[in-house]
Amino acid sequence: DAKTTQPPSMDCAEGRAANLPCNHSTISGNEYVYWYRQIHSQGPQYIIHGLKNNETNEMASLIITEDRKSSTLILPHATLRDTAVYYCIVATTDKLIFGTGTRLQVFP
Amino acid sequence: EPEVTQTPSHQVTQMGQEVILRCVPISNHLYFYWYRQILGQKVEFLVSFYNNEISEKSEIFDDQFSVERPDGSNFTLKIRSTKLEDSAMYFCASTNLGNTIYFGEGSWLTVV
Repeated sequence: DAKTTQPPSMDCAEGRAANLPCNHSTISGNEYVYWYRQIHSQGPQYIIHGLKNNETNEMASLIITEDRKSSTLILPHATLRDTAVYYCIVATTDKLIFGTGTRLQVFP
Repeated sequence: EPEVTQTPSHQVTQMGQEVILRCVPISNHLYFYWYRQILGQKVEFLVSFYNNEISEKSEIFDDQFSVERPDGSNFTLKIRSTKLEDSAMYFCASTNLGNTIYFGEGSWLTVV
């Protein structure tokens, strides 16, 4: 099974960029990387996803290394409302492999 | 914006009782999943479907769980003889791989 690992927690000052890493060293060539976040144990909220190329949307940027063994989610200007648990997910054909999640605390 | 809906949002049940949780996935999605998350712990895989067939099951699935698609659209997750440690949020998700994965808001189950 593919495995994803994330640091358990990170802090970020409000207004600064938050860079959340994820290792997925056993990912296969056709498996996408997704990022979701969860606030107060609600359902996961979509942020961004990608396969090989870097991606950017209105919420965040996703940087995927050339060998695809790791990725970084970038929240360019973190706000207090970005405080949440962030999950890196690898989508295989049989299941979604969740990372253990990174608890991001944005402070004033 | 399409959404995956789950019912009930909360349920309290007595230990040993059977519980049925429901999920309505996005209609044209082929991949479907059930997960659970005990409060403060990691997300735990239960079962996945591809094109209405079970694709993979977790080790705990056959002991206590079953899934049906009674009307070809909705999914039901049945938990037989609930235990205290089954208290968790159960959430479903659907997708067509490569596109956005849509998660439901979850069903909170409390076993007392």
